Amino acid sequence: DVKVTQSSRYLVKRTGEKVFLECVQDMDHENMFWYRQDPGLGLRLIYFSYDVKMKEKGDIPEGYSVSREKKERFSLILESASTNQTSMYLCASSFELAANEQYFGPGTRLTVT
Amino acid sequence: GENVEQHPSTLSVQEGDSAVIKCTYSDSASNYFPWYKQELGKRPQLIIDIRSNVGEKKDQRIAVTLNKTAKHFSLHITETQPEDSAVYFCAAETGTALIFGKGTTLSVSS
Repeated sequence: DVKVTQSSRYLVKRTGEKVFLECVQDMDHENMFWYRQDPGLGLRLIYFSYDVKMKEKGDIPEGYSVSREKKERFSLILESASTNQTSMYLCASSFELAANEQYFGPGTRLTVT
Repeated sequence: GENVEQHPSTLSVQEGDSAVIKCTYSDSASNYFPWYKQELGKRPQLIIDIRSNVGEKKDQRIAVTLNKTAKHFSLHITETQPEDSAVYFCAAETGTALIFGKGTTLSVSS
């Protein structure tokens, strides 16, 4: 059974702080993804990674960076958190890059004050 | 790039009725179209998907149809039950990623 875990369910940070969101998957998947979910806007892709140390920008990469040092772990970094980054962040992983099921983590509700 | 439009944004039905959610996409090269269900407070989970070499796929009470010429696909839920209440997302693949629709909130009242 695929398991995708995220480091925190809820997180409150102050404007300007550097924020790290971590995601771990246990299925040896090559591909990992970070989305943000906002009401009425659906799931929007921030970054994805198709291999260790490889990354690609998604639709809304501005203000974010990512790190993938190990196959099972994919980190999302907010270099200087802003209030408009208050959102639900979902991590996912998959065996194939696009035409395959994505397994989602439980999400991290980030509030930036 | 790929754009996915999903309608309606909200849908309310009585238990036992059918529900239909429709999506259109823009990239004719897309070949994979999944549907995800997200219950309140939970993670999205794949419920059914379809590839471009078939026009319809069924799994018990849910079915998906695909019209590649018109570039639209639909989710059909028959005999709806209260546990079908959730947000449903359609998506289309771009070759490197999935582009999701904005979601449909389905409410099934008993």
